[in-house]
Amino acid sequence: EAGVVQSPRYKIIEKKQPVAFWCNPISGHNTLYWYRQNLGQGPELLIRYENEEAVDDSQLPKDRFSAERLKGVDSTLKIQPAELGDSAVYLCASSLFARNTGELFFGEGSRLTVL
Amino acid sequence: DAKTTQPPSMDCAEGRAANLPCNHSTISGNEYVYWYRQIHSQGPQYIIHGLKNNETNEMASLIITEDRKSSTLILPHATLRDTAVYYCIVRVAGANSKLTFGKGITLSVRP
Repeated sequence: EAGVVQSPRYKIIEKKQPVAFWCNPISGHNTLYWYRQNLGQGPELLIRYENEEAVDDSQLPKDRFSAERLKGVDSTLKIQPAELGDSAVYLCASSLFARNTGELFFGEGSRLTVL
Repeated sequence: DAKTTQPPSMDCAEGRAANLPCNHSTISGNEYVYWYRQIHSQGPQYIIHGLKNNETNEMASLIITEDRKSSTLILPHATLRDTAVYYCIVRVAGANSKLTFGKGITLSVRP
Protein backbone atom coordinates (compact mmCIF):
# COMPACT_ATOMS: atom_id res chain seq x y z
CA GLU A 1 0.00 0.00 0.00
CA ALA A 2 1.37 3.40 -0.97
CA GLY A 3 1.89 5.81 1.87
CA VAL A 4 1.16 9.52 2.09
CA VAL A 5 2.94 11.29 -0.73
CA GLN A 6 4.08 14.88 -0.46
CA SER A 7 5.83 17.19 -2.86
CA PRO A 8 8.11 18.96 -3.16
CA ARG A 9 10.46 17.52 -0.55
CA TYR A 10 12.48 20.70 -0.44
CA LYS A 11 11.72 24.25 -1.45
CA ILE A 12 13.84 27.39 -1.14
CA ILE A 13 12.24 30.74 -1.85
CA GLU A 14 12.79 34.39 -1.10
CA LYS A 15 10.49 36.16 1.30
CA LYS A 16 7.29 37.57 -0.15
CA GLN A 17 7.20 34.83 -2.78
CA PRO A 18 4.32 32.34 -2.91
CA VAL A 19 4.76 28.62 -2.33
CA ALA A 20 2.49 25.60 -2.52
CA PHE A 21 2.71 22.09 -1.13
CA TRP A 22 0.82 19.09 -2.38
CA CYS A 23 -0.34 16.00 -0.54
CA ASN A 24 -1.83 12.73 -1.74
CA PRO A 25 -3.21 10.75 1.21
CA ILE A 26 -3.52 6.99 1.54
CA SER A 27 -6.30 5.71 -0.68
CA GLY A 28 -9.62 5.61 1.15
CA HIS A 29 -8.56 7.84 4.04
CA ASN A 30 -11.27 10.41 4.68
CA THR A 31 -9.33 12.56 7.10
CA LEU A 32 -6.37 14.68 6.07
CA TYR A 33 -4.17 16.85 8.25
CA TRP A 34 -1.56 19.51 7.64
CA TYR A 35 1.01 20.02 10.36
CA ARG A 36 3.92 22.44 10.64
CA GLN A 37 7.10 21.47 12.44
CA ASN A 38 9.64 24.07 13.47
CA LEU A 39 13.20 23.05 14.19
CA GLY A 40 13.51 21.23 17.50
CA GLN A 41 9.76 21.22 18.10
CA GLY A 42 6.99 18.71 17.70
CA PRO A 43 4.52 19.05 14.82
CA GLU A 44 1.66 21.53 15.26
CA LEU A 45 -1.71 21.06 13.59
CA LEU A 46 -2.63 23.68 11.01
CA ILE A 47 -5.81 22.25 9.53
CA ARG A 48 -7.85 19.05 9.46
CA TYR A 49 -10.20 17.93 6.71
CA GLU A 50 -13.02 15.43 6.82
CA ASN A 51 -13.51 14.67 3.14
CA GLU A 52 -13.75 18.09 1.49
CA GLU A 53 -14.69 19.98 4.65
CA ALA A 54 -12.16 21.81 6.79
CA VAL A 55 -13.42 20.88 10.25
CA ASP A 56 -10.59 22.43 12.26
CA ASP A 57 -8.60 25.35 10.87
CA SER A 58 -8.27 27.28 14.09
CA GLN A 59 -4.46 27.21 13.98
CA LEU A 60 -4.13 28.19 10.33
CA PRO A 61 -2.82 31.75 9.87
CA LYS A 62 -5.51 32.78 7.47
CA ASP A 63 -3.96 36.06 6.40
CA ARG A 64 -1.32 34.26 4.36
CA PHE A 65 -2.09 30.56 4.49
CA SER A 66 -4.77 28.76 2.55
CA ALA A 67 -5.60 25.14 1.94
CA GLU A 68 -7.97 23.18 -0.18
CA ARG A 69 -8.99 19.58 -0.63
CA LEU A 70 -10.99 19.34 -3.79
CA LYS A 71 -12.97 16.13 -4.28
CA GLY A 72 -11.89 14.97 -0.87
CA VAL A 73 -8.65 13.38 -2.01
CA ASP A 74 -5.53 15.43 -2.75
CA SER A 75 -4.82 18.59 -0.83
CA THR A 76 -2.78 21.73 -1.41
CA LEU A 77 -1.39 24.09 1.22
CA LYS A 78 -0.40 27.54 0.01
CA ILE A 79 1.52 30.38 1.61
CA GLN A 80 1.35 33.82 0.03
CA PRO A 81 3.40 35.80 0.70
CA ALA A 82 5.98 33.75 2.57
CA GLU A 83 7.82 35.25 5.55
CA LEU A 84 11.14 34.29 7.11
CA GLY A 85 9.31 32.70 10.04
CA ASP A 86 7.52 30.28 7.74
CA SER A 87 10.70 28.24 7.35
CA ALA A 88 9.70 24.82 8.65
CA VAL A 89 8.77 21.31 7.62
CA TYR A 90 5.17 20.98 6.45
CA LEU A 91 3.78 17.52 7.15
CA CYS A 92 0.68 15.95 5.70
CA ALA A 93 -1.05 13.03 7.39
CA SER A 94 -4.16 10.98 6.77
CA SER A 95 -6.36 8.58 8.71
CA LEU A 96 -9.54 6.57 8.36
CA PHE A 97 -12.45 8.49 9.83
CA ALA A 98 -14.17 5.36 10.99
CA ARG A 99 -11.22 4.04 12.91
CA ASN A 100 -10.74 5.08 16.50
CA THR A 101 -7.19 3.86 17.00
CA GLY A 102 -5.78 7.33 16.53
CA GLU A 103 -3.24 6.11 14.05
CA LEU A 104 -2.22 8.89 11.71
CA PHE A 105 -0.04 8.11 8.72
CA PHE A 106 2.43 10.85 7.90
CA GLY A 107 4.25 11.74 4.73
CA GLU A 108 7.94 12.59 4.70
CA GLY A 109 7.21 16.30 4.74
CA SER A 110 8.11 19.33 2.66
CA ARG A 111 10.99 21.39 4.00
CA LEU A 112 10.59 25.09 3.30
CA THR A 113 13.43 27.57 3.57
CA VAL A 114 12.55 31.25 3.22
CA LEU A 115 15.52 33.54 2.55
CA ASP B 1 -6.25 16.73 26.29
CA ALA B 2 -3.93 16.10 29.22
CA LYS B 3 -0.35 17.33 29.07
CA THR B 4 2.62 14.95 29.09
CA THR B 5 6.12 15.38 30.46
CA GLN B 6 9.13 13.57 29.03
CA PRO B 7 12.85 13.94 29.73
CA PRO B 8 14.58 15.66 26.80
CA SER B 9 16.94 12.83 25.98
CA MET B 10 18.33 9.45 26.90
CA ASP B 11 20.60 6.86 25.42
CA CYS B 12 21.02 3.12 25.54
CA ALA B 13 23.33 0.47 24.17
CA GLU B 14 22.45 -1.44 21.05
CA GLY B 15 20.78 -4.75 21.86
CA ARG B 16 19.64 -3.61 25.29
CA ALA B 17 16.11 -2.62 26.27
CA ALA B 18 15.24 1.05 25.99
CA ASN B 19 12.73 2.22 28.60
CA LEU B 20 11.23 5.60 27.74
CA PRO B 21 9.25 7.25 30.55
CA CYS B 22 6.29 9.58 30.27
CA ASN B 23 4.38 11.42 32.95
CA HIS B 24 0.71 12.29 32.43
CA SER B 25 -0.56 12.99 35.91
CA THR B 26 -3.67 14.90 34.74
CA ILE B 27 -4.93 12.19 32.41
CA SER B 28 -8.70 11.71 32.31
CA GLY B 29 -10.52 8.39 32.39
CA ASN B 30 -11.37 8.45 28.69
CA GLU B 31 -7.94 9.49 27.46
CA TYR B 32 -5.57 7.08 25.80
CA VAL B 33 -1.78 7.14 25.83
CA TYR B 34 -0.23 7.15 22.36
CA TRP B 35 3.38 6.86 21.30
CA TYR B 36 4.79 8.04 18.01
CA ARG B 37 8.38 8.30 16.90
CA GLN B 38 10.12 10.44 14.32
CA ILE B 39 13.31 9.33 12.68
CA HIS B 40 15.46 12.13 11.29
CA SER B 41 14.05 13.67 8.08
CA GLN B 42 10.93 11.52 8.18
CA GLY B 43 7.37 12.06 9.31
CA PRO B 44 6.17 10.72 12.67
CA GLN B 45 5.29 7.03 12.82
CA TYR B 46 2.67 5.45 15.07
CA ILE B 47 4.07 2.91 17.55
CA ILE B 48 1.41 1.87 20.03
CA HIS B 49 -1.41 3.11 22.24
CA GLY B 50 -3.27 1.97 25.34
CA LEU B 51 -5.95 2.94 27.83
CA LYS B 52 -5.12 1.15 31.06
CA ASN B 53 -3.91 -2.33 30.21
CA ASN B 54 -0.39 -3.03 29.12
CA GLU B 55 -0.06 -3.40 25.37
CA THR B 56 2.47 -5.12 23.14
CA ASN B 57 2.96 -5.21 19.40
CA GLU B 58 5.77 -6.04 17.03
CA MET B 59 7.48 -2.72 17.67
CA ALA B 60 7.23 -2.14 21.41
CA SER B 61 5.49 -2.66 24.73
CA LEU B 62 3.54 -0.04 26.63
CA ILE B 63 3.35 -0.27 30.38
CA ILE B 64 0.79 2.00 32.07
CA THR B 65 0.80 2.37 35.85
CA GLU B 66 -2.30 1.37 37.75
CA ASP B 67 -3.19 4.98 38.55
CA ARG B 68 -2.53 5.84 34.86
CA LYS B 69 -0.44 8.84 35.80
CA SER B 70 2.63 7.58 34.02
CA SER B 71 3.70 5.09 31.40
CA THR B 72 6.80 3.53 29.91
CA LEU B 73 7.48 2.61 26.31
CA ILE B 74 9.81 -0.36 26.07
CA LEU B 75 11.85 -1.22 23.01
CA PRO B 76 13.06 -4.70 24.01
CA HIS B 77 16.19 -4.89 21.86
CA ALA B 78 17.15 -1.44 20.65
CA THR B 79 18.96 -1.11 17.34
CA LEU B 80 20.73 1.84 15.78
CA ARG B 81 17.65 2.39 13.61
CA ASP B 82 15.63 3.10 16.75
CA THR B 83 17.50 6.38 17.20
CA ALA B 84 14.69 8.92 16.94
CA VAL B 85 12.49 11.40 18.79
CA TYR B 86 9.73 9.61 20.67
CA TYR B 87 6.51 11.45 21.44
CA CYS B 88 4.15 10.48 24.25
CA ILE B 89 0.68 11.90 23.60
CA VAL B 90 -2.55 11.73 25.55
CA ARG B 91 -5.84 12.12 23.75
CA VAL B 92 -9.40 10.97 23.63
CA ALA B 93 -9.75 8.25 21.00
CA GLY B 94 -11.66 9.15 17.89
CA ALA B 95 -11.04 11.05 14.71
CA ASN B 96 -12.37 14.32 16.11
CA SER B 97 -9.77 14.75 18.79
CA LYS B 98 -6.43 16.38 18.14
CA LEU B 99 -3.07 14.68 18.22
CA THR B 100 -0.97 17.29 20.02
CA PHE B 101 2.77 16.74 19.96
CA GLY B 102 5.19 18.02 22.59
CA LYS B 103 8.95 18.11 22.16
CA GLY B 104 9.34 14.40 22.79
CA ILE B 105 12.38 12.52 24.04
CA THR B 106 15.41 11.99 21.86
CA LEU B 107 16.64 8.42 22.11
CA SER B 108 20.18 7.77 20.99
CA VAL B 109 21.17 4.15 20.56
CA ARG B 110 24.92 3.71 20.75
CA PRO B 111 26.86 0.81 19.17
